[in-house]
Amino acid sequence: AQSVAQPEDQVNVAEGNPLTVKCTYSVSGNPYLFWYVQYPNRGLQFLLKYITGDNLVKGSYGFEAEFNKSQTSFHLKKPSALVSDSALYFCAVRDGDSSASKIIFGSGTRLSIRP
Amino acid sequence: DTGVSQNPRHKITKRGQNVTFRCDPISEHNRLYWYRQTLGQGPEFLTYFQNEAQLEKSRLLSDRFSAERPKGSFSTLEIQRTEQGDSAMYLCASSLAMISGGAEAFFGQGTRLTVV
Repeated sequence: AQSVAQPEDQVNVAEGNPLTVKCTYSVSGNPYLFWYVQYPNRGLQFLLKYITGDNLVKGSYGFEAEFNKSQTSFHLKKPSALVSDSALYFCAVRDGDSSASKIIFGSGTRLSIRP
Repeated sequence: DTGVSQNPRHKITKRGQNVTFRCDPISEHNRLYWYRQTLGQGPEFLTYFQNEAQLEKSRLLSDRFSAERPKGSFSTLEIQRTEQGDSAMYLCASSLAMISGGAEAFFGQGTRLTVV
């Protein structure tokens, strides 16, 4: 079975500082990893994904994420936070070795950027 | 608008009534997912389809929940004999079923169900 853990319920960062939102995963096969963002009263929006290749993937709004196979992690990062980045962030995983596997989401991390 | 469309956006129902939600996926997407989300929590997997075939249904889902995708296009999620614990946002998502399996899912705005 696959699972995702987001160990921090909330992350607080000052505007202009770098931010990291943590994610660890567990799958039996090769992981396909995703990050989504949810603004208040809005649906989930796709940010970026890791399928294969370069461990550092870049996505929307200046976000990037680093895949670390040995630590089974896929942390979301941004070099300089904006107040508008404040939202709920979800990490998700799919078992890449199973063509019929579903996407499982973590419990979410609320990112709060103070001016 | 070519995104995932869900109707209705809001539904208030009395306990014990049946409700049905509809999801229209992005037209070329053959995979369709249903999730449930409560306030401040992550989406909880309910079920998913590839074309018209329902490939998996969550063990957490009671027999009161059923989903269909009869022609491999739109899907419906029905909840029978609703309970207050069913109150949540019901999310639909769709994706391509790529050989690599790496396609991301695109979400609709959701249907917020309130059971009173």
